[in-house]
Amino acid sequence: EVRLVESGGGLVQPGGSLRLSCAASGFTFSRYWMHWVRQAPGKGLEWVSRMNTDGSSTIYADSVKGRFTISRDNAKNTVYLQMNSLRAEDTAVYYCARDRGGGCCYDYWGQGTLVTVSS
Amino acid sequence: DILATQSPDSLAVSLGERATINCKTSQSVFYSSDNKNYLAWYQQKPGQPPKLLIYWSFIRESGVPDRFSGSGSGTDFTLTISSLQAEDAAVYYCQHYYSIPTFGQGTTVEIK
Repeated sequence: EVRLVESGGGLVQPGGSLRLSCAASGFTFSRYWMHWVRQAPGKGLEWVSRMNTDGSSTIYADSVKGRFTISRDNAKNTVYLQMNSLRAEDTAVYYCARDRGGGCCYDYWGQGTLVTVSS
Repeated sequence: DILATQSPDSLAVSLGERATINCKTSQSVFYSSDNKNYLAWYQQKPGQPPKLLIYWSFIRESGVPDRFSGSGSGTDFTLTISSLQAEDAAVYYCQHYYSIPTFGQGTTVEIK
């Protein structure tokens, strides 16, 4: 069974940092691109970032470029999102998601972890 | 970036009736080299992550009931629920993945 479990969310002050983790199981992690998608409270979905299988290619939404960094450890079956210079507008549930294949859509999602940026 | 705009924002449909949601992208998401439209549809229920319904504009994900269908090409796409069931009440999102991925704003489907 494919499972994605996010962790690392919490309350952080504006300007602070957090690192989210997403532990994967039930599939060969190293063969899949991975994504982060977020959802502000009561709002729609916003794609955040993507990393390819070996970490050599990453892309980011303009809203987080230069502040967030995606990475992965294929030996630990984990993808990370390092978030720096956090702003109130970064408050959201952050989901990790598996790419169905080659830059398609997302066939498995975690349950999400809530990040709240507030003083 | 290519934007995706859904219509309507919400709709109420009686059980057993058809529900139709539209998604318009600001540029074509059809890639001629592989003859595919880079568009997907998701369903999200309260407190749950999104669930993939349709990809490549019309391919139904495994396990998705056949009352869900996707159509369209280029910039105009449609998700149709042919006979609405109670469990279909949810928010539906389209997403393109032709370039930097973006989601539509969502369409809320309610039972009338």
